[in-house]
Amino acid sequence: SQQGEEDPQALSIQEGENATMNCSYKTSINNLQWYRQNSGRGLVHLILIRSNEREKHSGRLRVTLDTSKKSSSLLITASRAADTASYFCARGANFGNEKLTFGTGTRLTIIP
Amino acid sequence: EPEVTQTPSHQVTQMGQEVILRCVPISNHLYFYWYRQILGQKVEFLVSFYNNEISEKSEIFDDQFSVERPDGSNFTLKIRSTKLEDSAMYFCASSGTSNEQFFGPGTRLTVL
Repeated sequence: SQQGEEDPQALSIQEGENATMNCSYKTSINNLQWYRQNSGRGLVHLILIRSNEREKHSGRLRVTLDTSKKSSSLLITASRAADTASYFCARGANFGNEKLTFGTGTRLTIIP
Repeated sequence: EPEVTQTPSHQVTQMGQEVILRCVPISNHLYFYWYRQILGQKVEFLVSFYNNEISEKSEIFDDQFSVERPDGSNFTLKIRSTKLEDSAMYFCASSGTSNEQFFGPGTRLTVL
């Protein structure tokens, strides 16, 4: 499979704790993009990390990329109840503005 | 902040009928996409569009599907003769020079 695969499939943590979600892929990438999806709703773009980058931050979000291991991680610090959602990584191949291949997602539940 | 919009939010149709799903991409974006997500499954790529032509399409995007950019703002997906298995959430996305793909809120298509 060329798809991103997230791990774990589901994660429940207490509010205030940090949440880490991982994504693995099998073929080369131009970029990897992380999205959030609330139940039955649209996909919210979180962060894009390029193949020549190792880490990016946006607010409480930190994304790392290890191209040698073909893996990425999304860290949400100081989690809030509103962070409850599904999180997906999506692989962009080749030249950048091509199709995204989505993984199966991690269902994150923040317990108040 | 600019966003992708989609109409309608929910479309119910009878099997065999034609449907047109509409999208207004972000105004300065040049790359446009349609994806779909069957309930409980992964987000799947359908088609990408650039410079007034299809740049890539998936196996799902058969002769029953077509896309059009009829004017400078709209981007449409037409399904000529809907099948039960076309029931899904359909997402439009657009991207610009940054390669970040921004998604619309989706159209939930229900085929009866």
